[in-house]
Amino acid sequence: NAGVTQTPKFQVLKTGQSMTLQCAQDMNHEYMSWYRQDPGMGLRLIHYSVGAGITDQGEVPNGYNVSRSTTEDFPLRLLSAAPSQTSVYFCASSWNPTGTHEQFFGPGTRLTVL
Amino acid sequence: LAKTTQPISMDSYEGQEVNITCSHNNIATNDYITWYQQFPSQGPRFIIQGYKTKVTNEVASLFIPADRKSSTLSLPRVSLSDTAVYYCLVGTGGFKTIFGAGTRLFVKA
Repeated sequence: NAGVTQTPKFQVLKTGQSMTLQCAQDMNHEYMSWYRQDPGMGLRLIHYSVGAGITDQGEVPNGYNVSRSTTEDFPLRLLSAAPSQTSVYFCASSWNPTGTHEQFFGPGTRLTVL
Repeated sequence: LAKTTQPISMDSYEGQEVNITCSHNNIATNDYITWYQQFPSQGPRFIIQGYKTKVTNEVASLFIPADRKSSTLSLPRVSLSDTAVYYCLVGTGGFKTIFGAGTRLFVKA
């Protein structure tokens, strides 16, 4: 199993550009989520999904869109990049969205917006 | 959502036992307590989870008092490779999981 994979590992954007961060998992997990981590800070939840076709907002959803057409994939779209979105983005998945759970995290995407 | 409070940083020496305490005064009846470890440039990694009393695995122990308003992660005989950030989370699972700033543990030789 590859676990949770994320692409790209690094990305530089100009203000106003759009892009999609890819996330995939091969563990047949129902629950997937996106976090951002700013320097020296904890992770903040952007969006999450409890299954294909179901998504919801987390703590900091503005400026980001998600969709979940399959169990395996959960892409994160930046609509119009801003310097404030410079961060490291982590995708995670879990087999059980409620009760006890262990989230498996991807290696992260380091995004810089100029 | 239960908020957690942890020390910002801790120092230790190799071979010592390290105890990191997390306060969660507003923990709800259905909430579990989960700890993650994060190394630089990596995603967090699950360490241990518990609901009450004591939980032990091959990596750590988790002590939870009867009132569940705090918990203590215990790392036995730490090594340099245990230098990382440790996060305490409280909740019922993935929904709206909140990571605080965590505790930066620095293990010295």
